[in-house]
Amino acid sequence: EAGVAQSPRYKIIEKRQSVAFWCNPISGHATLYWYQQILGQGPKLLIQFQNNGVVDDSQLPKDRFSAERLKGVDSTLKIQPAKLEDSAVYLCASSSIRLAGPGAQYFGPGTRLLVL
Amino acid sequence: DQQVKQNSPSLSVQEGRISILNCDYTNSMFDYFLWYKKYPAEGPTFLISISSIKDKNEDGRFTVFLNKSAKHLSLHIVPSQPGDSAVYFCAASADAGGTSYGKLTFGQGTILTVHP
Repeated sequence: EAGVAQSPRYKIIEKRQSVAFWCNPISGHATLYWYQQILGQGPKLLIQFQNNGVVDDSQLPKDRFSAERLKGVDSTLKIQPAKLEDSAVYLCASSSIRLAGPGAQYFGPGTRLLVL
Repeated sequence: DQQVKQNSPSLSVQEGRISILNCDYTNSMFDYFLWYKKYPAEGPTFLISISSIKDKNEDGRFTVFLNKSAKHLSLHIVPSQPGDSAVYFCAASADAGGTSYGKLTFGQGTILTVHP
């Protein structure tokens, strides 16, 4: 079974530029998550999708961040315009409602973003 | 507001000995707790979990203990192996069966180094 795919793996941009990240979850997983992990901290949930719909986006900075999940499969996370404090690893995870317990989240390798 | 805390940034242990990683939480609504392991340049991988109705869960060399009155959990690894060297994240979930199903709050992580 293929894991969660993310691209790009690394991105360097200047502040005020825009950037987009892509995630392809494990086939059949209805729930998709985007996390932000700043150096020295644990992952912080930005947004959670259940199929096409948003379940939780309470910690998403909506003035600059946006996310969508196309046809309940792939997802993109966009930052526009980027700030220095957005430098972090952006992790995508997916899970299946059929699995027991909330622990069954499978993470991708992440995209490391550096904003200069 | 750090609801899940791992107060030890790092831990160094000799191969064959016990590793004990600690985690404290403040939100009494948390009812499910997990440990994730993360290698460099990879996403976190699920290790072990425990429901709040239990005080211990064991899986091979890994055991998680939960003390609800103290709002504290710990991960024991016995015996420790060099391959266990990684960052370990504690995570917690509230209302696992309700609308926040799957939403995880992570601690800052503890870097475990196991020396041969």
